[in-house]
Amino acid sequence: GAVVSQHPSWVICKSGTSVKIECRSLDFQATTMFWYRQFPKQSLMLMATSNEGSKATYEQGVEKDKFLINHASLTLSTLTVTSAHPEDSSFYICSARAYLVVKYNEQFFGPGTRLTVL
Amino acid sequence: QKEVEQNSGPLSVPEGAIASLNCTYSDRGSQSFFWYRQYSGKSPELIMFIYSNGDKEDGRFTAQLNKASQYVSLLIRDSQPSDSATYLCAAATGGFKTIFGAGTRLFVKA
Repeated sequence: GAVVSQHPSWVICKSGTSVKIECRSLDFQATTMFWYRQFPKQSLMLMATSNEGSKATYEQGVEKDKFLINHASLTLSTLTVTSAHPEDSSFYICSARAYLVVKYNEQFFGPGTRLTVL
Repeated sequence: QKEVEQNSGPLSVPEGAIASLNCTYSDRGSQSFFWYRQYSGKSPELIMFIYSNGDKEDGRFTAQLNKASQYVSLLIRDSQPSDSATYLCAAATGGFKTIFGAGTRLFVKA
């Protein structure tokens, strides 16, 4: 159980375009989803925390107008990178925390989306 | 600043040996601790979590927690080349935030 999917798994786009990444919990309901970014050989960097039905909480230094997050249901959160630039090229990973299983704060990660902006 | 510290490695062990990965955390309010494995180019995969002082065993993996010392470790017995990966330690408080360490790279030599 606790499977999280992401789509697309990789995307290449031109500078200035917007890219939407979907994160779905397949077999459980996720009240909270997290979006991370990871550059090569670096650690995970939390970008934002997304709670179903409310606005996302962004980490310091993350532009909320550039990285739009929507958590419309208990199984779906989306991250839209608006007006992408080459420096936004990275590995974007979502994770979900299972509803009613908050005692231990386990997070289950999606497979990630590799974004390349030309 | 709440932190989780790990030695970046690489930690190199021969096949069949015990690999010992260590982690310290700064927030005494942390209640749950996690070990994730991340292969190159892939997302993290949960291996174990622990929340009580002492040892927790699952197959070849043993997690150890010492809250007084703010120390968490992961032992991998009978290490295999397929265990070669980056291991992330994470600590969570009772709230939403989970803090991840930068990870330790493990290399198991065949």
